[in-house]
Amino acid sequence: DAGVIQSPRHEVTEMGQEVTLRCKPISGHDYLFWYRQTMMRGLELLIYFNNNVPIDDSGMPEDRFSAKMPNASFSTLKIQPSEPRDSAVYFCASSPLFGGAGYTFGSGTRLTVV
Amino acid sequence: AQTVTQSQPEMSVQEAETVTLSCTYDTSESDYYLFWYKQPPSRQMILVIRQEAYKQQNATENRFSVNFQKAAKSFSLKISDSQLGDAAMYFCARTGANNLFFGTGTRLTVIP
Repeated sequence: DAGVIQSPRHEVTEMGQEVTLRCKPISGHDYLFWYRQTMMRGLELLIYFNNNVPIDDSGMPEDRFSAKMPNASFSTLKIQPSEPRDSAVYFCASSPLFGGAGYTFGSGTRLTVV
Repeated sequence: AQTVTQSQPEMSVQEAETVTLSCTYDTSESDYYLFWYKQPPSRQMILVIRQEAYKQQNATENRFSVNFQKAAKSFSLKISDSQLGDAAMYFCARTGANNLFFGTGTRLTVIP
């Protein structure tokens, strides 16, 4: 299994631009999570899906952030418009169960907004 | 507050020696799971070991073992025979309602 695949690995964009981060979960994993990692706040859950349906998006910081999961093998996290304070590493993770099995993380996308 | 606390921002260990990383947590739940994740410079988050709260037996994965004290809400990680490849950030995590709560991490340095 190739694991959780995220793209791009690095993204540098200018303030005000739209950014789209992509994730392919492990086949058969029913849960997909988007996390953000910063030095100040550590790892924060942004949103998670169960069977492609968003279950909890209370961690999404603002309306500028949106996430979709059109099918079981693909999810996107979009920031529009981007701001310098959005600079962080964004992780996607998937799991066959909620909690007990542990989450398998992708390699993350390092986003820099200048 | 449902927090996970790692009180050691940095630790170091001599190669081949043993080191223990500390973690305490807060929860009102009786059933939950605990994890240790490793994040090397490649930034990949790697699951090292997991513990089910209702199991009293401490989990072990090769050179990695935990000391789980449920009443004290403590979950420490012991790394035996430390290797250079063990150098990384280590995060303790606990499941909670709709979330996986992470500690702030401990940076482990392995000295050759």
